[in-house]
Amino acid sequence: QSALTQPASVSGSPGQSITISCTGTSSDVGGYNYVSWYQQHPGKAPKLMIYEVSNRPSGVSNRFSGSKSGNTASLTISGLQAEDEADYYCSSYTSSSTLGVFGGGTKLTVL
Amino acid sequence: EVQLLESGGGLVQPGGSLRLSCAASGFTFSSYAMSWVRQAPGKGLEWVSAISGSGGSTYYADSVKGRFTISRDNSKNTLYLQMNSLRAEDTAVYYCAKVILLRAAAGTGVDYWGQGTLVTVSS
Repeated sequence: QSALTQPASVSGSPGQSITISCTGTSSDVGGYNYVSWYQQHPGKAPKLMIYEVSNRPSGVSNRFSGSKSGNTASLTISGLQAEDEADYYCSSYTSSSTLGVFGGGTKLTVL
Repeated sequence: EVQLLESGGGLVQPGGSLRLSCAASGFTFSSYAMSWVRQAPGKGLEWVSAISGSGGSTYYADSVKGRFTISRDNSKNTLYLQMNSLRAEDTAVYYCAKVILLRAAAGTGVDYWGQGTLVTVSS
């Protein structure tokens, strides 16, 4: 199955807001409300930040929010902080595989 | 507290075999599907395999189908990945992960990840 499309990199200054997009098709992102977002710092395991499009797990800052429009999901981080600098991956349920599909990842740089 | 602890990684020659284990604690293991996700050096995440809570249903990425076998022992709260006919392109950190939703498919998302175990396939 094809990976979801994410920008390779985004950047922002401390305090600013950024949005990372995740584009799929009607067979994955657009067809199901099972989009998740993961944060990964270098050398560390991924961490769940958003699930089911817009739900935040307990303990995740409310500066992180998720949304979806059509075949594109988005992760928005407000009030950027230095510790937000990491790689971010989206994932979606897909009709073509029970395993799901990941995006290629986006490197967030906090300037 | 949910904990997932992988083991079994290492250096193996092309064509060789390796078995990964993932010891789980802090949740009702048999009620949740589990997944293996891998990450090649400097690359993104890739779903490898998943198994239902009962172990009765298994799923594989095309890249590993016929070579890898996922299984679980609910009496030991342990997930396994038997990897045979290993190739250089299987070199990666392998993570086990717990599916978020009770009795849901792996593609619906995972919430807890192990620390990962490195598998290196090289002569």
